[in-house]
Amino acid sequence: QLQLQESGPGLVKPSETLSLTCTVSGGSISSSIHYWDWIRQPPGEGLEWIAAIYYTGRTYYNPSLKSRVTISVDTSKNQFSLKLNSVTAADMAVYYCARHTRDSGDFSWGQGTLVPVSS
Amino acid sequence: QTVVTQEPSFSVSPGGTVTLTCGLSSGSVSTSYLPSWYQQTPGQAPRTLIYNTNVRSSGVSDRFSGSILGNKAALTITGAQADDESEYRCVLYMGSGLWVFGGGTKLTVL
Repeated sequence: QLQLQESGPGLVKPSETLSLTCTVSGGSISSSIHYWDWIRQPPGEGLEWIAAIYYTGRTYYNPSLKSRVTISVDTSKNQFSLKLNSVTAADMAVYYCARHTRDSGDFSWGQGTLVPVSS
Repeated sequence: QTVVTQEPSFSVSPGGTVTLTCGLSSGSVSTSYLPSWYQQTPGQAPRTLIYNTNVRSSGVSDRFSGSILGNKAALTITGAQADDESEYRCVLYMGSGLWVFGGGTKLTVL
């Protein structure tokens, strides 16, 4: 049974960098048919796809966030990570890590973690 | 950037049938967009219902079905039940690894 667990600081200050890690269990991050995603949801709003990564390190970014986002993978730890720099209040959201299958919208979701942005 | 459109809200009577749609601000949705649907209740992560237009995710009731209707993707719920009251979200694949979600439809069962 695949499990995805987000972890990171409980609070980020404006202008600082938000860093999150997703630990994958019940499956290998080195799967040849899966991609690993970060998706966020501001309070009361819709979902926004942020980025995805393949185990080889190939990355894909939402153009609207690309200049501030870095996604990376650590196959030795079965983890992947997100960094979002220069955060503002608009970046406050529940951040989900997820997995999707190649050529498919079949996403499997983590439980999500709320990241407040406040000084 | 292309916007993915969904009805903001919809209501259905218990036992009734409702069809929610997922469109594009410009152009038509086809199967190549891999339209997929998620159900989300407050405070919970989304749950995948339908992916790749019409493939039901494991464990999802056959009361949920997906299709292309005209120029939009569609999610049809038959025999609506009280616990179907949720937010329904769609996503489209735009190519080059990019996915775009719609704003979601709040479904009320009453």
